Amino acid sequence: GAVVSQHPSRVICKSGTSVKIECRSLDFQATTMFWYRQFPKQSLMLMATSNEGSKATYEQGVEKDKFLINHASLTLSTLTVTSAHPEDSSFYICSAREGLGRDTQYFGPGTRLTVL
Amino acid sequence: QKEVEQNSGPLSVPEGAIASLNCTYSDRGSQSFFWYRQYSGKSPELIMFIYSNGDKEDGRFTAQLNKASQYVSLLIRDSQPSDSATYLCAVNEGSGGSYIPTFGRGTSLIVHP
Repeated sequence: GAVVSQHPSRVICKSGTSVKIECRSLDFQATTMFWYRQFPKQSLMLMATSNEGSKATYEQGVEKDKFLINHASLTLSTLTVTSAHPEDSSFYICSAREGLGRDTQYFGPGTRLTVL
Repeated sequence: QKEVEQNSGPLSVPEGAIASLNCTYSDRGSQSFFWYRQYSGKSPELIMFIYSNGDKEDGRFTAQLNKASQYVSLLIRDSQPSDSATYLCAVNEGSGGSYIPTFGRGTSLIVHP
């Protein structure tokens, strides 16, 4: 099956620092990647959609200057949380999809971010 | 507004029973439908997808799609305690090839021995 990796799996940082999370599709080329955030015992919240080579599309209420997304290749997308604060502490999950249509999206294992 | 609705549960079933999970969606133009399982503290993992009306079986899992009634369900036969998790329904809605997926809030399933 399709495999998506995420790195790091867990990060603890001080308030005000920036954190970069990598999402890679290991055995397929991902035309589209999605970034989600999930707070404890809450549902998945889509943050943004990124297509290779173009700017990400952010969901309403998600600050694009705070959550920088780069989808530079068909196998790699990065999410940078800039000037992180404790309220940014969450479980960040990426997913990747091969085509634009009905193709399945496969999730990475997630990154747990804790901002002190 | 595109909506995907699931009963949050928890749905509690005894081991060996059939668990039935339901999902309704608002957009009649929806094309593809997915069930994911999410264990606590983990990311979602795909169980199965369905595109056409009717049933689709994979091992102990059966997905059922009824586009006229706008619902999709997941049946889990011979439920095991290891099936205890949150089950997410996802629907690809949209036009023009955008296909931004919409997730339901998930149904918590508890299978007790």
